[in-house]
Amino acid sequence: KAGVTQTPRYLIKTRGQQVTLSCSPISGHRSVSWYQQTPGQGLQFLFEYFSETQRNKGNFPGRFSGRQFSNSRSEMNVSTLELGDSALYLCASSARGRDSPLHFGNGTRLTVT
Amino acid sequence: AQSVSQHNHHVILSEAASLELGCNYSYGGTVNLFWYVQYPGQHLQLLLKYFSGDPLVKGIKGFEAEFIKSKFSFNLRKPSVQWSDTAEYFCASRGSQGNLIFGKGTKLSVKP
Repeated sequence: KAGVTQTPRYLIKTRGQQVTLSCSPISGHRSVSWYQQTPGQGLQFLFEYFSETQRNKGNFPGRFSGRQFSNSRSEMNVSTLELGDSALYLCASSARGRDSPLHFGNGTRLTVT
Repeated sequence: AQSVSQHNHHVILSEAASLELGCNYSYGGTVNLFWYVQYPGQHLQLLLKYFSGDPLVKGIKGFEAEFIKSKFSFNLRKPSVQWSDTAEYFCASRGSQGNLIFGKGTKLSVKP
């Protein structure tokens, strides 16, 4: 089975721009979660989608949004980028969500200049 | 707020030494605990998980963890580390909303 695929691997954007990151979960997995990883804060939960519905959301501003498509693929969008948004954004999928472990992708490294 | 604390930021060991990484979680509801490992340049991988039952959980690559409910702890152990165990280790707990809450990670460096 192919793992979780995230595209692109690297992105460089300037302040004020917006960005869209993509995640393809493991085949058959219906839950997709997004995390932001930084050296200072570690992994922080952004949101979780299950069957195209946002099931849970972390404490991030409204500039961070996401969606999930009928094939379980997910995108997250960050608008009006700030320098502090520079991070590794990780996507994880699981079979059922709540009682299944997460399988992570390699992440998208976003640098905001 | 729910949290997961990892006691050590960076641990340096020689090969064949024993390893114990501390983890404490704050959520007192249904217990779902995990240890993940991130090898250099690779994605996070699940080492082991605890949901219920025997509090001593065995995972991959010779790792094990012990759940101690009274201490809200879930420490990771390995009797004899190898150079290939050099990685960052993350403890995680499922929070009340269902998402995983991660500790800040412990970097393990194993000297050959």
